[in-house]
Amino acid sequence: AQKITQTQPGMFVQEKEAVTLDCTYDTSDQSYGLFWYKQPSSGEMIFLIYQGSYDEQNATEGRYSLNFQKARKSANLVISASQLGDSAMYFCAGGGNNNDMRFGAGTRLTVKP
Amino acid sequence: GAVVSQHPSWVICKSGTSVKIECRSLDFQATTMFWYRQFPKQSLMLMATSNEGSKATYEQGVEKDKFLINHASLTLSTLTVTSAHPEDSSFYICSASPGGVYEQYFGPGTRLTVT
Repeated sequence: AQKITQTQPGMFVQEKEAVTLDCTYDTSDQSYGLFWYKQPSSGEMIFLIYQGSYDEQNATEGRYSLNFQKARKSANLVISASQLGDSAMYFCAGGGNNNDMRFGAGTRLTVKP
Repeated sequence: GAVVSQHPSWVICKSGTSVKIECRSLDFQATTMFWYRQFPKQSLMLMATSNEGSKATYEQGVEKDKFLINHASLTLSTLTVTSAHPEDSSFYICSASPGGVYEQYFGPGTRLTVT
């Protein structure tokens, strides 16, 4: 199983600015996937973006992009043009050969008006 | 598409009683379902993985006799917390996959409070 590390318990960003949320991973699997989820106060897990280990291009989904650096084992999430509604917990997760998904500790993002 | 529901959304039960949580995939067949537990201000921890028609695989440290999982059909999995205690109070989230871990759809979660 993967080990996912998120070292930023909390982050602040000014509305309309970009923010990067850090995520590093550790796995011995050759094939794996990396995910980012948003969890608002309601508790639901909202899928944001996915990066496969063999994908050569960084994944992008609207205002979300994933800065994938395989050699450094990092998969940082970049949110551009932050909005007040982006305030939430953000979890990085990884899945590999064992058909299980592991989550990082999460980062609480607060967007300031 | 790819909607997963959980019922109930919240439940309060007395210590020593059992409570069942349902997880349903509404518009797809889920060959695999996953159960997670999330304590306040903590991350999601995988409890068990279940495949339709077979026994669940529990993560290390999760008591299989306490957390009974039944994946009876391709659209329904249930988690029964037996003899619940206050320390079992948590947010329980299921996810369903039509195939493989790379495609998981999460339910809205069930908040369990044991008094």
